[in-house]
Amino acid sequence: NAGVTQTPKFQVLKTGQSMTLQCAQDMNHEYMSWYRQDPGMGLRLIHYSVGAGITDQGEVPNGYNVSRSTTEDFPLRLLSAAPSQTSVYFCASSYVRAGVTYEQYFGPGTRLTVT
Amino acid sequence: LAKTTQPISMDSYEGQEVNITCSHNNIATNDYITWYQQFPSQGPRFIIQGYKTKVTNEVASLFIPADRKSSTLSLPRVSLSDTAVYYCLVGERADSWGKLQFGAGTQVVVTP
Repeated sequence: NAGVTQTPKFQVLKTGQSMTLQCAQDMNHEYMSWYRQDPGMGLRLIHYSVGAGITDQGEVPNGYNVSRSTTEDFPLRLLSAAPSQTSVYFCASSYVRAGVTYEQYFGPGTRLTVT
Repeated sequence: LAKTTQPISMDSYEGQEVNITCSHNNIATNDYITWYQQFPSQGPRFIIQGYKTKVTNEVASLFIPADRKSSTLSLPRVSLSDTAVYYCLVGERADSWGKLQFGAGTQVVVTP
């Protein structure tokens, strides 16, 4: 299994540009999440999905959109990039057992710089 | 959702045991406690998870007292490769997923 994969690894955007960060998992996990991590800080939840067709907001959803058309893929769209969105973005997947989620499997991250 | 508090940093020498305590005073009855490890430029990696008392796996032990308001991750005989940031996370449940909060974590530095 490849686990959780993310593309691209690095990206530089100009203010106002839009782009999509890709995330895929091959473990048939129900849950997928997007986090951002700013320097010296913990991860903050942006959006998450509990299954195909179902998404919801996390702590910091503004400026981002998500969709989940398949179990495997969970892309994150930046609508109009701003310097405040400069960060490292991590995608994670996890499966639910008996109402209690088990560990999250994280991707390698995408380092985004907005100038 | 339970907020967690951990020490910002801890230093250790190779071969010593490292214990990191996390406070989670508002933990809910059905919350589990999970610890993750993160190396620079990598995503976090699951270390251990528990609900009460003691859990042990091949890399760590997790001690949870009866009141569950804190937990302690124990790393036995650390090596240089254990230098990383360690996060305590509470509440990875289906009905509270949107409120998950990673704290700032504990930077552990192991020196020879």
